[in-house]
Amino acid sequence: QLQLRESGAGLVKPSQTLSLTCAVSGGSITSNYYTWNWIRQPPGKALEWIGYIYHTGSTLYNPSLKSRATISIDRSLNHLSLQLTSVTAADTAVYYCAYRLPLGPWGQGALVTVSS
Amino acid sequence: EIVLTQSPGTLSLSPGERATLSCRASQTITTDYLAWFQQKPGQAPRLLIYGASNRATGIPDTFSGSGSGTEFTLTISRLEPEDFAVYYCHQYGTSPWTFGQGTKVDIK
Repeated sequence: QLQLRESGAGLVKPSQTLSLTCAVSGGSITSNYYTWNWIRQPPGKALEWIGYIYHTGSTLYNPSLKSRATISIDRSLNHLSLQLTSVTAADTAVYYCAYRLPLGPWGQGALVTVSS
Repeated sequence: EIVLTQSPGTLSLSPGERATLSCRASQTITTDYLAWFQQKPGQAPRLLIYGASNRATGIPDTFSGSGSGTEFTLTISRLEPEDFAVYYCHQYGTSPWTFGQGTKVDIK
């Protein structure tokens, strides 16, 4: 049974790059043939889909992020990553990774705060 | 992008009552690719319904989804204490995938 767990810096300064990883256990990223997604949720607000990556490396992003997001896979470490450049306070959120939206599973989420 | 509008924003009900939540899409959702999630404070969303009307694994039959095209409904036939939470609809048929703004079901 797949399990996902997000980790990364909890505090990022404005204009810097947010970096998160999602460790996958209970299965290999390269043998699971559906989408690996990142979703975020600002405090007290709704969910926003950031984008996804297939095991092949093919990606699709939400245009609302204006090309600031990059999702990648590290096959040797069996994890996926999210980088978000030029962050502002509006990027403060809980960030989730999830496999095969909407079916899941989801990770437990990681709070990232953008503040100087 | 497809905008999902949920109503009402808040639903105040008592345990045992029936809850009816609405999700309206700004354009037709492809192949009824509409899901419903439940979220409690500090937790990740939990999938309830996918494909507009299919219950996810382990979801009790008090939860049901219906609708097609642009109008969808989540019904909780009899509210249990653990059902008081925020509910989101989500469309995954057309990129970018989007979520509604949520309906909070709270205790009256």
